Amino acid sequence: ETGVTQTPRHLVMGMTNKKSLKCEQHLGHNAMYWYKQSAKKPLELMFVYNFKEQTENNSVPSRFSPECPNSSHLFLHLHTLQPEDSALYLCASSLIAGDTDTQYFGPGTRLTVL
Amino acid sequence: GEDVEQSLFLSVREGDSSVINCTYTDSSSTYLYWYKQEPGAGLQLLTYIFSNMDMKQDQRLTVLLNKKDKHLSLRIADTQTGDSAIYFCAESKTGGGNKLTFGTGTQLKVEL
Repeated sequence: ETGVTQTPRHLVMGMTNKKSLKCEQHLGHNAMYWYKQSAKKPLELMFVYNFKEQTENNSVPSRFSPECPNSSHLFLHLHTLQPEDSALYLCASSLIAGDTDTQYFGPGTRLTVL
Repeated sequence: GEDVEQSLFLSVREGDSSVINCTYTDSSSTYLYWYKQEPGAGLQLLTYIFSNMDMKQDQRLTVLLNKKDKHLSLRIADTQTGDSAIYFCAESKTGGGNKLTFGTGTQLKVEL
């Protein structure tokens, strides 16, 4: 699936580092999402952006800071993370954040916090 | 609260049918989905069903919904080794802003 790309694919960082995850969609969509996928746990929705406006923050700690400069790009800025933040971070997009709009997922960034 | 549950593992022989089950608790769920995740890849939408439907068939895939029991199943006919993946059940509701609640996923292993 090349419609939604994520970089980097793998990231190892220390607890004092600052890093950013990038997501780009080439589908002409207007809604973008960040999900966290931890081992043996359901995918957790973190943030939703619809037409560049944040419409959902699912009680995510402030050490995760999203940014959506335009409808095609979504970032997740990371700082002072904890080891329990290690997970696969998935980005998705849909036409809009409407009820039946299919979400297309990127391949994810595998994050390890040491 | 919302909860979606799936068994963790399923192993079948190539050529057999696979049935992956899912239960959900939110009676106001309107849309139910099945996603597939292959190793190192993101989630791929396989199919979805509206809550006013009992069954949906798409080639080798059959989705059955028992709304009374809040039970959803995905049947894969003639299972192939390429079907080996993790299958996620998810639900959303009208007016929910396209927020999906996922199950933990079922790892399907297809043996020769």
